[in-house]
Amino acid sequence: TQLLEQSPQFLSIQEGENLTVYCNSSSVFSSLQWYRQEPGEGPVLLVTVVTGGEVKKLKRLTFQFGDARKDSSLHITAAQPGDTGLYLCAGSSNAGNMLTFGGGTRLMVKP
Amino acid sequence: NAGVTQTPKFQVLKTGQSMTLQCAQDMNHEYMSWYRQDPGMGLRLIHYSVGAGITDQGEVPNGYNVSRSTTEDFPLRLLSAAPSQTSVYFCASSYSFRGDQPQHFGDGTRLSIL
Repeated sequence: TQLLEQSPQFLSIQEGENLTVYCNSSSVFSSLQWYRQEPGEGPVLLVTVVTGGEVKKLKRLTFQFGDARKDSSLHITAAQPGDTGLYLCAGSSNAGNMLTFGGGTRLMVKP
Repeated sequence: NAGVTQTPKFQVLKTGQSMTLQCAQDMNHEYMSWYRQDPGMGLRLIHYSVGAGITDQGEVPNGYNVSRSTTEDFPLRLLSAAPSQTSVYFCASSYSFRGDQPQHFGDGTRLSIL
């Protein structure tokens, strides 16, 4: 079973601060996705990365896939209260038809 | 465009009761899946289907059954509910299973087993 560990589990910051959350594994993934989930709703896809070393930017969010495709990070610049939510990473390998999710990072941005 | 619809949104059961969680999608997606979400454990895959008539087990299949008679519907059955099955259940669909395909999630069913 492939495992994805996310850190930190919880993060509370003030509006305007920068932050980075991490998604790590000892396994290699063919692709990795980041989702955001708000209370009472299902996760919504933010980005997919497929190439080792790939960097993608989505407004104030920057996603990076590790060179060895075993880890990923999400950096948020100048966090806003609207960024509050649960951030989940999910990876897939070339074998099988399953997506493995990490435990999530719960982010609270205080105004 | 409804996307993925899950019913009911909330349910309370007694230990030993059975029930079916409904999931329907209107995007003509081939791949559908069921997850449970427990605090601090992210989403764990229960069962999945790569097309009508084809289902397979995920990471935590015990105590659950699924069937896929149509492309649109993928119900999840609890055969004899246990308190350990108290959780939030999410259904998801995607065009196909490739790791770079976006998963579209429903809003979940919150299930409590007393």
